[in-house]
Amino acid sequence: GEDVEQSLFLSVREGDSSVINCTYTDSSSTYLYWYKQEPGAGLQLLTYIFSNMDMKQDQRLTVLLNKKDKHLSLRIADTQTGDSAIYFCATSMGGNTGKLIFGQGTTLQVKP
Amino acid sequence: DTEVTQTPKHLVMGMTNKKSLKCEQHMGHRAMYWYKQKAKKPPELMFVYSYEKLSINESVPSRFSPECPNSSLLNLHLHALQPEDSALYLCASSQDSGGHYEQYFGPGTRLTVT
Repeated sequence: GEDVEQSLFLSVREGDSSVINCTYTDSSSTYLYWYKQEPGAGLQLLTYIFSNMDMKQDQRLTVLLNKKDKHLSLRIADTQTGDSAIYFCATSMGGNTGKLIFGQGTTLQVKP
Repeated sequence: DTEVTQTPKHLVMGMTNKKSLKCEQHMGHRAMYWYKQKAKKPPELMFVYSYEKLSINESVPSRFSPECPNSSLLNLHLHALQPEDSALYLCASSQDSGGHYEQYFGPGTRLTVT
């Protein structure tokens, strides 16, 4: 089955860019999502990209998809302390189940 | 508005208790989900309801019993739970159950089983 991997921890300085990486194994993954989870809270959908796209930009967020390498990244420009959270990537193969496969999550620490 | 609400926010229950978790959305979504999340782990899918019918049960023990009374409401009935069932229970909804529909999550219910 699908396996989604992320590095567990990333530390950056406030104002720098953050890049969170994700790799997946199933090339038929069609929809790829990024979620943010702050301590004690639910998951907030940040952005998503479809497999027919290479890049998507939404304000400070840029998602890059390399289908050949099955690699997804989330870049956060001008990272702020409020961006400190756990970031999950998730894939879906479409179909009618709605089942998401999540990575383990990357904890982003932003130092002032 | 992409809000999913969950009550209660926190719940402490004994192993012999019966309790229920509630989830509500008013976005007109026709798919609703229950997830279980342990600390520092990703959410694990438990159940999927599509058009008020249970479409996926991820081999969840029968001490967890979902119910979808209408298209806006989703309940999770709990009975005879074990301490290892302590976790954050998340509800989510999406326009439909296909993988190309974004899932929106509620804030969760933090459950402690004593």
